[in-house]
Amino acid sequence: AQSVTQPDIHITVSEGASLELRCNYSYGATPYLFWYVQSPGQGLQLLLKYFSGDTLVQGIKGFEAEFKRSQSSFNLRKPSVHWSDAAEYFCAVGANNFNKFYFGSGTKLNVKP
Amino acid sequence: EAQVTQNPRYLITVTGKKLTVTCSQNMNHEYMSWYRQDPGLGLRQIYYSMNVEVTDKGDVPEGYKVSRKEKRNFPLILESPSPNQTSLYFCASSEPRGGPLETQYFGPGTRLLVL
Repeated sequence: AQSVTQPDIHITVSEGASLELRCNYSYGATPYLFWYVQSPGQGLQLLLKYFSGDTLVQGIKGFEAEFKRSQSSFNLRKPSVHWSDAAEYFCAVGANNFNKFYFGSGTKLNVKP
Repeated sequence: EAQVTQNPRYLITVTGKKLTVTCSQNMNHEYMSWYRQDPGLGLRQIYYSMNVEVTDKGDVPEGYKVSRKEKRNFPLILESPSPNQTSLYFCASSEPRGGPLETQYFGPGTRLLVL
């Protein structure tokens, strides 16, 4: 069965520091992987997605993620965090029949001034 | 403006009183989906629709119904709500051909409290 694990419930980083949010997935076939961000009181917005090809994916707002098949991971990174990045981040996997979609439980990011 | 709208945004109801949450998109998207968000569980898919008159169950369909009579609308129906359906609900739609593997556009959410 498909599943997504985000082991960190809360993370706090200082503004300007680097960020890495962890995501591990369980999926029998080739995974289609996503990162979404949810700002307080808002819906979700797609940051980036991976289907195939280059395992380092660039997204919006300066985020990137790296797919590592051997570790079943798709970690999100940003070299320098801004206060506006404070939000909840969700990793997700899409089933290859294009229909079902599975989210992780989310990681809340706090940014210290 | 391209958007997904949901109504109502907030709803307090009582156990057993039927309710409908509407979802509408103006982007001519074929794929639409409903999710519920609960603390510590992330978002879980309730139902999805690949196109008009084509719907299927997600991971947590019990207690919910949907219909897709027009491409732009995808209402979520709770025929007999129970307190365990208290949650934050999101509707989403995505661009043609790829279903949810294309970019999903989410509505603003509907916060439901069932007493």
